[in-house]
Amino acid sequence: QVQLQESGPGLVKPSETLSLTCTVSGDSMTNHYWAWIRQSPGIGLEWIGYIYYRGSTNYNPSLKRRVTISIDTSKDQFSLSLTSVTEADTAVYYCATGTQNRFDYWGQGTLVTVSA
Amino acid sequence: DIQMTQSPSSVSASVGDRVTITCRASQGISNWLAWYQQKPGKAPKPLIYAASSLQSGVPSRFSGSGSGTDFTLTINSLQPEDSATYYCQQANSFPFTFGPGTKVDIK
Repeated sequence: QVQLQESGPGLVKPSETLSLTCTVSGDSMTNHYWAWIRQSPGIGLEWIGYIYYRGSTNYNPSLKRRVTISIDTSKDQFSLSLTSVTEADTAVYYCATGTQNRFDYWGQGTLVTVSA
Repeated sequence: DIQMTQSPSSVSASVGDRVTITCRASQGISNWLAWYQQKPGKAPKPLIYAASSLQSGVPSRFSGSGSGTDFTLTINSLQPEDSATYYCQQANSFPFTFGPGTKVDIK
């Protein structure tokens, strides 16, 4: 069974870049889609985007100008970069995996607070 | 973007009751709908995909139905461990979007 673990800073200053990594264990990264999803009280659950193991990506247009998702299958990791953050980006960030159309496995989530 | 709505926003029911949650999409999504269960402090847990297919390991008291714009999640014989918030999610077109959630409490 796939297990996912998010890691990264819990506090980011406004205008800086939020960077998170998801480490995968229990299965190969091939033939799967790897996604980032966030949850905040104001917005609820929001799909950020995903990357296919071969490297193709799809992002939420609302975040597209600021988001990059990358993958390193040799390290069993994929990453999220969100630039120019504001307090509105404060949320619990989840990594998840599944097929193109559903998220079968989720990480436990990591709270990222944007504050000076 | 496709907007997802859910009703009711919350429901309180007794152990053994049948609970039905409705999810509506702002445009047709065929059967590209998933349901998730989330308990406080935990990640969402997948319950159903493709509107009516049960994820592995999910109790059979959970079922889903619908297509197009209207969908339902039914919990037959509600159990204490079913107290949670339930979300629908469309996967028909980008960006994928989630409903606002329905909180299920046990009386």
